[in-house]
Amino acid sequence: AQSVTQLGSHVSVSEGALVLLRCNYSSSVPPYLFWYVQYPNQGLQLLLKYTTGATLVKGINGFEAEFKKSETSFHLTKPSAHMSDAAEYFCAALTPGGSQGNLIFGKGTKLSVKP
Amino acid sequence: GAGVSQTPSNKVTEKGKYVELRCDPISGHTALYWYRQSLGQGPEFLIYFQGTGAADDSGLPNDRFFAVRPEGSVSTLKIQRTERGDSAVYLCASSAGTNSRIETQYFGPGTRLLVL
Repeated sequence: AQSVTQLGSHVSVSEGALVLLRCNYSSSVPPYLFWYVQYPNQGLQLLLKYTTGATLVKGINGFEAEFKKSETSFHLTKPSAHMSDAAEYFCAALTPGGSQGNLIFGKGTKLSVKP
Repeated sequence: GAGVSQTPSNKVTEKGKYVELRCDPISGHTALYWYRQSLGQGPEFLIYFQGTGAADDSGLPNDRFFAVRPEGSVSTLKIQRTERGDSAVYLCASSAGTNSRIETQYFGPGTRLLVL
């Protein structure tokens, strides 16, 4: 069964520093991959997604992620952190050919940004 | 336009009681999803509707959980004989329903359920 692992439940960076949030998936068949962000008391918001084609995916708010099949990874990066990036980030996978609704989420990484 | 809304935002109930949680999807979205998010965990899939019918209910944990969407719009998640372990945030999402597996799901803010 598909699983998603996010390394680090809590990541802290300084404002202006690089943000790197890690995500690995388990299946041998590359899934569709998503990053969502959750601000306090708000719903999950899609940052970006990888389906097919270009492995470097650009999303909203300056975030991007690169699909690496050899590493079964889909890490999220942003060159320069802003205070407004403080939130919880979830990586999710959807198995091609499986149920449309059955997004498999990681446990999340809470990002803190220090001034 | 309006996003996905969920009511109530918070619900406190006693063990053994029955609860209903409501989801209003984005207007025109035919696909609707329910997830459950326990403390410290990512969302966990419960059920997915395409129109009025449940296309995939494989995530419902047991027969105490049931969801309906009688007119293909609003959905209600029903939990019978609640247990303390049911305490979680229940998330609803909707998508356009074009039958594309890669379409974006739009999430509501969730209903926080606490079972005492």
